[in-house]
Amino acid sequence: EIVLTQSPGTLSLSPGERATLSCRASQSVSSSSLAWYQHKPGQAPRLLIYAVFSRATGIPDRFSGSGSGTDFTLTISRLEPEDFAVYYCQQYRSSPFTFGGGTKVEIK
Amino acid sequence: EVQLVESGGGLGQPGGSLRLSCEASGFTFSSYAMSWVRLAPGKGLEWVSATSGSGATTYYADSVKGRFTISRDNSKNTLYLQMNSLRAEDTAVYYCAKGVVVVTATHRYYEYYMDVWGKGTTVTVSS
Repeated sequence: EIVLTQSPGTLSLSPGERATLSCRASQSVSSSSLAWYQHKPGQAPRLLIYAVFSRATGIPDRFSGSGSGTDFTLTISRLEPEDFAVYYCQQYRSSPFTFGGGTKVEIK
Repeated sequence: EVQLVESGGGLGQPGGSLRLSCEASGFTFSSYAMSWVRLAPGKGLEWVSATSGSGATTYYADSVKGRFTISRDNSKNTLYLQMNSLRAEDTAVYYCAKGVVVVTATHRYYEYYMDVWGKGTTVTVSS
């Protein structure tokens, strides 16, 4: 099983600031099979990024993904008020298709 | 519009059973892999199970293997999760989610990331 470790657990930032979220895998996530999701309380999770750096339909370009192998990053270039949420990475290279523990981005 | 609507949640007894359903619309259901993902109180998202478009291939998290069964009825555009031997730790919001299919010149294969999600159904396991 590929274990994904996200850091930090919580990120306290102000609107307009840059957010950098990390996702580290216990083994190489080959074929770039890594996705990022945004989740707000009471709502359905939302796909942001797939295949490490490809933005999903309708996702603004302030969201970007990068990385390879075992280290991946989600960057939000300038936080908007609606971006404060919990973010999860997920690997879909091999079953079980595990999620990371999440990073909460909260308003400072 | 692509839509997924879960149902079947509620109160289950420890050791008991529940069956969740997910009705899909707005896309060719049989062409896509589908997954169940849950969110327990105070925890993060946990992938539970997935199935290929035909239902012939299934995958499970270790935490539910042998207790939960994923299935689908493509004639009814519906995904199911049969949950047996329920435990308190199965208490969660359960989301149904649609996977992705990749078509190239020589291959057609499923990707198990989720581009559309339902709003979830709540399962509470308690005596």
